[in-house]
Amino acid sequence: SQTIHQWPATLVQPVGSPLSLECTVEGTSNPNLYWYRQAAGRGLQLLFYSVGIGQISSEVPQNLSASRPQDRQFILSSKKLLLSDSGFYLCAWSLGLWGYTFGSGTRLTVV
Amino acid sequence: EDKVVQSPLSLVVHEGDTVTLNCSYEVTNFRSLLWYKQEKKAPTFLFMLTSSGIEKKSGRLSSILDKKELSSILNITATQTGDSAIYLCAVEAKGGSEKLVFGKGTKLTVNP
Repeated sequence: SQTIHQWPATLVQPVGSPLSLECTVEGTSNPNLYWYRQAAGRGLQLLFYSVGIGQISSEVPQNLSASRPQDRQFILSSKKLLLSDSGFYLCAWSLGLWGYTFGSGTRLTVV
Repeated sequence: EDKVVQSPLSLVVHEGDTVTLNCSYEVTNFRSLLWYKQEKKAPTFLFMLTSSGIEKKSGRLSSILDKKELSSILNITATQTGDSAIYLCAVEAKGGSEKLVFGKGTKLTVNP
């Protein structure tokens, strides 16, 4: 069966520090991968999506970047965090809409 | 710009009540609408509605898609405290990468 792993679960980082959140999928090949952010009162916002290794599309201009070094690995990064980067980050994968599955999320607090 | 609007943003009811959550959308090249339930962490899938499947039911939950009105409703009958959650509506915006556009959600609180 397919599983999605996302870590860490919680993270507190100072302003200006770097960020690396990792997401891996098991049990499937060539999935579409997504990073979403859920800020308070704003719903889920798509940040990046990837349809294959090295292929990244950005949905909103921001302080973050994403990479897909392997088929089932998706990384969200920042060189210097801002206070506004705080939020709940969710990784998701799909092979079709009915296969759209979320990871358990990372609660990021930038202080 | 693709947009999904949910209402109400929050709702407080008593156990046993019936609730109706609303979702309206404006997207190009609509393919499907999905409902998710989010309790503490990741959203869990409830329903997917498409042109060929505009009504779905699972136990006390049911959902209908109105393609003419560009909207959907999620009904929960005989609510229980375990139904307390944020309910998210999402619509596929464009083909190819199956991106979803989410609404802000409806926070449902069911009191005993």
